[in-house]
Amino acid sequence: AIRMTQSPSSLSASTGDRVTITCRASQGIARYLAWYQQKPGKAPELLIYSASTLQNGVPSRFSASGSGTDFTLTISRLQSEDFATYYCHQYYRYPLTFGGGTKVEIK
Amino acid sequence: QVQLQQWGAGLLKPSETLSLTCGVSGASFNGYYWTWIRQTPGKGLEWIGEIEHSGTTDYTPSLNSRITISLDTSKNQFSLKLTSVTAADTAVYYCARGLPNWGGGGAFDVWGQGTMVTVSP
Repeated sequence: AIRMTQSPSSLSASTGDRVTITCRASQGIARYLAWYQQKPGKAPELLIYSASTLQNGVPSRFSASGSGTDFTLTISRLQSEDFATYYCHQYYRYPLTFGGGTKVEIK
Repeated sequence: QVQLQQWGAGLLKPSETLSLTCGVSGASFNGYYWTWIRQTPGKGLEWIGEIEHSGTTDYTPSLNSRITISLDTSKNQFSLKLTSVTAADTAVYYCARGLPNWGGGGAFDVWGQGTMVTVSP
């Protein structure tokens, strides 16, 4: 199975900060990567698919890039509602797999 | 607006069968991949398997021998059965819709609310 490794596993930031999360695949996955946001007690929500395409309704302060094995998710100006856990997910090859998550906490 | 509403037993004993159903409203089954995912604090998010409109399924290898995912288009729902559960199957289970992708299911754009399933003697 393709292993997805996220870093950092957690970070502390303040409202207004720029935040970058990294996801690395154990083998090339082209651009078959999605990013999700999950808040406590809720299901994950799709933010980004195809490595950089913003899902409808997602604020433009979220952006993402990458291809092959290295990907990033950036939040340009962190808002209070962005404190959550973020996951990457590859759908290049079965079994589909997720990263371990990055928890974004308030500093 | 597409919505997934899931239901099923939340407390099981070891060796029993987990059975969950996901009702779909606001969407056709055609062209999408109807998926089950589970989440535990220790293993994070784990893709369990999917079914498409034709009935074709794909399952994660580690659970393949115990899983059945089925589709009932007349009732607008799909289901998960996991046999011979153990404590290791304790998790929050989600149903989700997978977007079409070149080789199968893609990103999950709609999720159910989640069901906490606990396996305990």
